[in-house]
Amino acid sequence: AQSVTQPDIHITVSEGASLELRCNYSYGATPYLFWYVQSPGQGLQLLLKYFSGDTLVQGIKGFEAEFKRSQSSFNLRKPSVHWSDAAEYFCAVGAKEYGNKLVFGAGTILRVKS
Amino acid sequence: ETGVTQSPTHLIKTRGQQVTLRCSSQSGHNTVSWYQQALGQGPQFIFQYYREEENGRGNFPPRFSGLQFPNYSSELNVNALELDDSALYLCASSLAGGKMNEQFFGPGTRLTVL
Repeated sequence: AQSVTQPDIHITVSEGASLELRCNYSYGATPYLFWYVQSPGQGLQLLLKYFSGDTLVQGIKGFEAEFKRSQSSFNLRKPSVHWSDAAEYFCAVGAKEYGNKLVFGAGTILRVKS
Repeated sequence: ETGVTQSPTHLIKTRGQQVTLRCSSQSGHNTVSWYQQALGQGPQFIFQYYREEENGRGNFPPRFSGLQFPNYSSELNVNALELDDSALYLCASSLAGGKMNEQFFGPGTRLTVL
C-alpha cells in the first residue's frame, strides 16, 4: 500500500531564509507526487506535481521540488521564504492502481518569523 | 473557469443525525473525490465518483455514501453521525483520462458533531 511520511510536524524559519520540507513515500512503482498548501480554514491549493520526466519540478509561488527515486523522496524547497508562506503543507502520492485516490502525509506546519 | 465549490461552509449536528454535503465540480471535470480531514491530520480518501458510479473507496464504513449527478456535481451523505465524524470534508474534482490524479480541491465543509 502507498504511504507518505512527512517527518517534520512544525518548522520555523526566518523571513528571507531558505526552506526545505521533507517528504518520503512508499510505493512500488513510479508514483505521481504532489505538494499542496493549506491556509487556516481553507481548502488545498496545488503547488506542484511530478508525473514523469525532469526530476526537478517548478511550481507556483517560487516553490520547487525534486524527485529522488533512490531515496523515495520528494522534498519541497524555496530559496527565500515570505511571511505569506506560513501555512500547512501536505505531500501526497497517487497511482492509477489505487483507484485514483491521493494518499496524504500528516502535513508540516510552517511558521515564518520576521 | 469556475472552481470547485462546496456547501454549506459550516454545519453543526448532533450524534445520530444524518448530514448531506454538496459539491460542484470545476467546469469540464467529470470525476469527484471526497476526503475527510480530521483536526491535525492529512486528508483521508473516502470515495470517488465517475459517471455517476462509485469508482474507488477508502476505509470508511457504509454509513458514508455518495451520489454523483449528470452535471457531475456530487453529494456526500453520512448517517448515524458519531463524534469522530467531526472534520473538514473536502471535495476534489478531476478529469478522468486526463492527467491522472491532478485533483482540484474546494474550500471544504466544516462538520461539527456534538
